[in-house]
Amino acid sequence: GIQVEQSPPDLILQEGANSTLRCNFSDSVNNLQWFHQNPWGQLINLFYIPSGTKQNGRLSATTVATERYSLLYISSSQTTDSGVYFCAVVRGTYKYIFGTGTRLKVLA
Amino acid sequence: GAVVSQHPSWVICKSGTSVKIECRSLDFQATTMFWYRQFPKQSLMLMATSNEGSKATYEQGVEKDKFLINHASLTLSTLTVTSAHPEDSSFYICSASNWGGTDTQYFGPGTRLTVL
Repeated sequence: GIQVEQSPPDLILQEGANSTLRCNFSDSVNNLQWFHQNPWGQLINLFYIPSGTKQNGRLSATTVATERYSLLYISSSQTTDSGVYFCAVVRGTYKYIFGTGTRLKVLA
Repeated sequence: GAVVSQHPSWVICKSGTSVKIECRSLDFQATTMFWYRQFPKQSLMLMATSNEGSKATYEQGVEKDKFLINHASLTLSTLTVTSAHPEDSSFYICSASNWGGTDTQYFGPGTRLTVL
């Protein structure tokens, strides 16, 4: 089956710093989404981005479907950005396959 | 819009008992609901897919007799963990979709199950 790998696995930032999270997938996909899982476990949908670039405030995402990767940019990080970031891909059957996750901690 | 709730948010039970978790779509009709399991510091793994009024489709390696799924209406799906054991302790998350032009799933807040 399709493999979805995220890097880095762990990231510690000082408040105000910028970061880039990467999601690599091993086969073509119909859809890709980025999620933030907060410390209480709730998954928050950040971007629906099968291709192209989108921006929402301090966050932006780019997916290059032909090269099978997606990037999530976080600028001017805040402590509330802490948590785990997952990408999830959809291929064919509408099932989400989640990536391995990046655990982010932003220090005040 | 597109809010999904789960109940309970956490539950502790004794080994050998059964536990039921509810997943509700509050403001839309969910033609399909999904159940995921997440172990500590791991990713989400899909357990099963359920469509309203039909039997659930389980992923490989998931015991359908242990994890009973009922999608009785367009707003409610239930997951029953039967004869729970400590290794069933996990975070269970449901999602729902109405296939309104996209394959977007909306996720519930999760249920933390601890089996003693």
